[in-house]
Formats: sequence, structure tokens, C-alpha cells
Amino acid sequence: GAGVSQTPSNKVTEKGKYVELRCDPISGHTALYWYRQSLGQGPEFLIYFQGTGAADDSGLPNDRFFAVRPEGSVSTLKIQRTERGDSAVYLCASSLTGAGQIETQYFGPGTRLLVL
Amino acid sequence: QKEVEQNSGPLSVPEGAIASLNCTYSDRGSQSFFWYRQYSGKSPELIMFIYSNGDKEDGRFTAQLNKASQYVSLLIRDSQPSDSATYLCAVGNFGNEKLTFGTGTRLTIIP
Repeated sequence: GAGVSQTPSNKVTEKGKYVELRCDPISGHTALYWYRQSLGQGPEFLIYFQGTGAADDSGLPNDRFFAVRPEGSVSTLKIQRTERGDSAVYLCASSLTGAGQIETQYFGPGTRLLVL
Repeated sequence: QKEVEQNSGPLSVPEGAIASLNCTYSDRGSQSFFWYRQYSGKSPELIMFIYSNGDKEDGRFTAQLNKASQYVSLLIRDSQPSDSATYLCAVGNFGNEKLTFGTGTRLTIIP
């Protein structure tokens, strides 16, 4: 089946604007993760969903960042009042259950966000 | 001290030789260890994972884990130019599903 998909692949916005990044996980995967990767760094955890609920949002840097997964499948990462420091590649990953065990996380192609 | 540390490289290895990539972690409770390969401009792709002390082999790749030393490594035998990429070490815990990544080691295989 299809892998994790993310849209848009690239997003250029101006400082202060609002952006939404979308992730469509592998079909049947109940766990979904958002990471952020800056140039020359490894992915940094943002938030993890188990079904519809955010099971761990400890990685969200501040209250400008918010994510939802209303039907337990597609997720949207929302960034308000974007800042230049938000520029990075936003990666989404999914795994089969994510519940009480460590599983392989499969990554999507990422959304490259540039805040001017 | 970073939670997961890797030498950023670049590491240059002749084609056909063994490439050795190393990773140390600070959380002694860590229980799962992953190696991801990331080509420039692409997303991370899982190479292999290891949970138990010792070696785990998969084709040309061998992961080695030493929990007492908090050390995990990846060996790539018969290195090919297509192995040139950044290799990311990631660490996880049962009951805490997030992965903590190192900064990655950039590997270049020289033909």
C-alpha cells in the first residue's frame, strides 16, 4: 500500500502568517508522530497521536503550535504567527499501534517550510 | 550533554571496505535502538533496529548494542557508493513512543 504522504511538499510563507501542514498515515496505522528537522540536525519530536488523541505533546515548542487528528487518520499540524525560526522540514511518521511497545516508525517525505 | 550523540563526520570510506558508525545515549532506561538512513533532501528510511545486547545482522548491515556501555553501532560491509548518506541513530523506550535522534553521521563511500 501507499506510504505516509504529506502535503504540501514545500510551503513558503511570511512572518506572522498561519500555516497548516497535512499528514496522511499508512492505512491501518493508529499511531502518528510529528517531528521537525532543522538543517544539519536529526528529527526532533513534536507530538504523538494514539488514535484521535494526543498522547504526548511534550515536544511542541510553544502554544503557537497545535495539531489535530479528528478522525484518527489524517493529521494537521497548525502553526500560528509563524516566525523565521520555524523554518525547517516537518516530518510525519506512523506506526501500527504505538501502544505500550516500540514499533518501526515510517516517515513521510516531509514538508519543507520556509518563513520569510 | 545531548541525549543521543553521534560523530557528525563526514566519514569517508573506500568502496568495498567496512564502514563503522557509532552512537552513544545518555538514558540508561532506553530499550530500543534504530538506525535510519537519510539521503540528501529525503526523509529517513529505516535500516534496522535492535533491542537486545549483542549483534544483529541483516544482509550487509550489522547493528551492535552494548547497554552497559550505552553504545550502539552500525557496521556496513562491502560499502557501496549508494551507501553514501547521513545515518541517524534513534533511541526509544517502551511506554514512551517518541524517538530521540542523534544529529546523524554523514558517510561518503569513495569509489
